[in-house]
Amino acid sequence: AQSVTQPDIHITVSEGASLELRCNYSYGATPYLFWYVQSPGQGLQLLLKYFSGDTLVQGIKGFEAEFKRSQSSFNLRKPSVHWSDAAEYFCAGVLRGGATNKLIFGTGTLLAVQP
Amino acid sequence: GAGVSQSPRYKVTKRGQDVALRCDPISGHVSLYWYRQALGQGPEFLTYFNYEAQQDKSGLPNDRFSAERPEGSISTLTIQRTEQRDSAMYRCASSLAGSIRETQYFGPGTRLLVL
Repeated sequence: AQSVTQPDIHITVSEGASLELRCNYSYGATPYLFWYVQSPGQGLQLLLKYFSGDTLVQGIKGFEAEFKRSQSSFNLRKPSVHWSDAAEYFCAGVLRGGATNKLIFGTGTLLAVQP
Repeated sequence: GAGVSQSPRYKVTKRGQDVALRCDPISGHVSLYWYRQALGQGPEFLTYFNYEAQQDKSGLPNDRFSAERPEGSISTLTIQRTEQRDSAMYRCASSLAGSIRETQYFGPGTRLLVL
């Protein structure tokens, strides 16, 4: 079955430190992949997406993600975290070329930022 | 409009009652998606529309759940004979075109509590 896994439920980093949030996928073929952020009381906002081509994808708010086919991973990174980055982050995937736009989300990683 | 809106924002109902949740997408957006998000989980796909046509309803949990988008704009998700297990955040998203490559813009959600 198709799935997206986020192994880390909760992560705490210090402000200014680097960040990496893990995401692994299980699909028959390489899916389209997305990272979303959900701030308290807000809707989800798209950070970045990967369809094909360059495996390092740049997104908004200084985030980037790297697609690694050999590891079935699409990890999200940021060189220096700001207090405003505290939120919940979701990785999601959809079958490439499928008959549906059904997006499958991971369970999320809650990021806390220490001053 | 400025973004996707949903109403009501909060709904408390008694078990056995029917509820209707409304989604008003961004003007001109072709696709409209419904998701359900339980506490501590990622959004779970329910169904989606292109214009007024329901493209995929495979995520609807059972026949108590239905959705419509009769004029290709506003959509209503109806839950009949609600049960406590239906309690969750219900999220709506819209995208400009029918391709999954298009960014989905999420609304703030409707928090449903079934007593």
